[in-house]
Amino acid sequence: NAGVMQNPRHLVRRRGQEARLRCSPMKGHSHVYWYRQLPEEGLKFMVYLQKENIIDESGMPKERFSAEFPKEGPSILRIQQVVRGDSAAYFCASSPPGGGEQYFGPGTRLTVT
Amino acid sequence: GIQVEQSPPDLILQEGANSTLRCNFSDSVNNLQWFHQNPWGQLINLFYIPSGTKQNGRLSATTVATERYSLLYISSSQTTDSGVYFCAVQGGSEKLVFGKGMKLTVNP
Repeated sequence: NAGVMQNPRHLVRRRGQEARLRCSPMKGHSHVYWYRQLPEEGLKFMVYLQKENIIDESGMPKERFSAEFPKEGPSILRIQQVVRGDSAAYFCASSPPGGGEQYFGPGTRLTVT
Repeated sequence: GIQVEQSPPDLILQEGANSTLRCNFSDSVNNLQWFHQNPWGQLINLFYIPSGTKQNGRLSATTVATERYSLLYISSSQTTDSGVYFCAVQGGSEKLVFGKGMKLTVNP
């Protein structure tokens, strides 16, 4: 039973470029969550999605960040015009229908140069 | 929003020692999870424990929801237990709110 998959594992972008992070939930899971971990800090919630719906985006920065979870394919977290402060580890988690325990992927480490 | 406090922030042990990690939270919760973030950054689920007591090998956890705290016990610690331990809770929404973590170092 494959766990939560994220790719790429490491991503380097220059300031001003776009970053696209992908997440495939565990089989049978329909809820996807994105969290960000800055260096030496805990994880902070960004957004919660179900298929084709954003349920809670209260943790998303107002500009440059967007997320989607299409009917087919992985969930995408998109960061436009990246800045150095976006450098962080971005984790995706999934849970089964009805919520409950969240399982985390290995994360994508974004470095903005 | 809900606040999560973990203590102690750091702990250094010799192999074989026992330890107790504490998580306090400021409001009633629907879910509480303990995680271990290993030195490679991966988050490992340890316990899903909104209330009661669970055990898994050398690890056990207890959540007393009415008093708003949870404890994680590590017995006979090993060097592979090193890393950061996070407590995370769900209050009135689906999002997990994480504490700042506790860095554990187990020396051989």
